Amino acid sequence: AQSVTQLDSQVPVFEEAPVELRCNYSSSVSVYLFWYVQYPNQGLQLLLKYLSGSTLVESINGFEAEFNKSQTSFHLRKPSVHISDTAEYFCAVSRVGTSYGKLTFGQGTILTVHP
Amino acid sequence: DTGVSQNPRHKITKRGQNVTFRCDPISEHNRLYWYRQTLGQGPEFLTYFQNEAQLEKSRLLSDRFSAERPKGSFSTLEIQRTEQGDSAMYLCASSSPSGTNTGELFFGEGSRLTVL
Repeated sequence: AQSVTQLDSQVPVFEEAPVELRCNYSSSVSVYLFWYVQYPNQGLQLLLKYLSGSTLVESINGFEAEFNKSQTSFHLRKPSVHISDTAEYFCAVSRVGTSYGKLTFGQGTILTVHP
Repeated sequence: DTGVSQNPRHKITKRGQNVTFRCDPISEHNRLYWYRQTLGQGPEFLTYFQNEAQLEKSRLLSDRFSAERPKGSFSTLEIQRTEQGDSAMYLCASSSPSGTNTGELFFGEGSRLTVL
């Protein structure tokens, strides 16, 4: 079985400041890693994913995450946040070789960006 | 809007009543999922359909819960004899086969159930 721990339930930051949302996972088998985002009154959306290859992955809106196998982490970072980044962020894993979308999610981190 | 649609968005019911939620996935997606999310927690996998076949059910899905996808299009999730512990947000998601392998699920906005 897999488990995901998001170390911060809430992260308040000021606009244009850097941010890091932390995610650790536990699994006895290889996993794929994901970050999903939920903006207010919207459904979850895939933000970025790590499947294989380069351990640093990026999203189109400036977020990046780095897969660290030795530390079993997949922290999400952005060098300069905007008000529009205010949302809840979920880290998730799925077992490599699973042919369908069975994801194990963390409990979520609410990012609030203040002006 | 061609996204995943869920109805009703909110349902308040008394303990012991039955409730049914409907999910309309993205039309070309053959895979459909139900997840449950309780307050302060991330979504938890409940069940999965490929076309009309229900291929996996979580142990979270007690025998009071039943999900169907009769024609491989929309799906329903019925909860019989609701209990207060059933209060949660029920999320539906869909994916195409290629999207599934990359973890890209498309989620609806959810159906919130409150059991009094």
